[in-house]
Amino acid sequence: NAGVMQNPRHLVRRRGQEARLRCSPMKGHSHVYWYRQLPEEGLKFMVYLQKENIIDESGMPKERFSAEFPKEGPSILRIQQVVRGDSAAYFCASSVTEGGAYNEQFFGPGTRLTVL
Amino acid sequence: AQKITQTQPGMFVQEKEAVTLDCTYDTSDQSYGLFWYKQPSSGEMIFLIYQGSYDEQNATEGRYSLNFQKARKSANLVISASQLGDSAMYFCAMTILTGGGNKLTFGTGTQLKVEL
Repeated sequence: NAGVMQNPRHLVRRRGQEARLRCSPMKGHSHVYWYRQLPEEGLKFMVYLQKENIIDESGMPKERFSAEFPKEGPSILRIQQVVRGDSAAYFCASSVTEGGAYNEQFFGPGTRLTVL
Repeated sequence: AQKITQTQPGMFVQEKEAVTLDCTYDTSDQSYGLFWYKQPSSGEMIFLIYQGSYDEQNATEGRYSLNFQKARKSANLVISASQLGDSAMYFCAMTILTGGGNKLTFGTGTQLKVEL
């Protein structure tokens, strides 16, 4: 059973370009979380999605950032018109079910975004 | 809102010695879970140990144990018999277990270096 997959592992963009980060959850997992880790900091929650639904986007910046988790295919975190401050590691995690009890989140290897 | 505080930016320990990494948390919820993750220099997030707020016994996983003191709102990680491979960043995290997802709130981390 493959783990959580993220691609690309490294992404370089120039200011003003778009970045698309992909996350394929573990087989059988229908819940995806995205986190951002700025340099020298801990991970910060961005968004929680189930298939075709955004459940909690309280950690997403209001502009330029969007996320989706379609019925088929990976979850996508999209950053439009990237700026240098978007340079970070972006982690996705998946779990079997939603909260109410402990459901371990399995983390992907992360995508390191560098904005030149 | 939840908050995790890790007051030790860096720690040194000699190989084969035990080390305690501090973590305090703040929440008004009664049902929550506490986690420790390890992030080596390669960048991936490795789950180490979990403690539920209603668990009466402290969690243990091999050389890792979680010293849970509910009244003091602390969840310190104890690593026994340190190994060189334990050198990494360690993050304490928590989630609320009342439904609506299990988004994790992370601390700022402690960089542990194991020396010969």
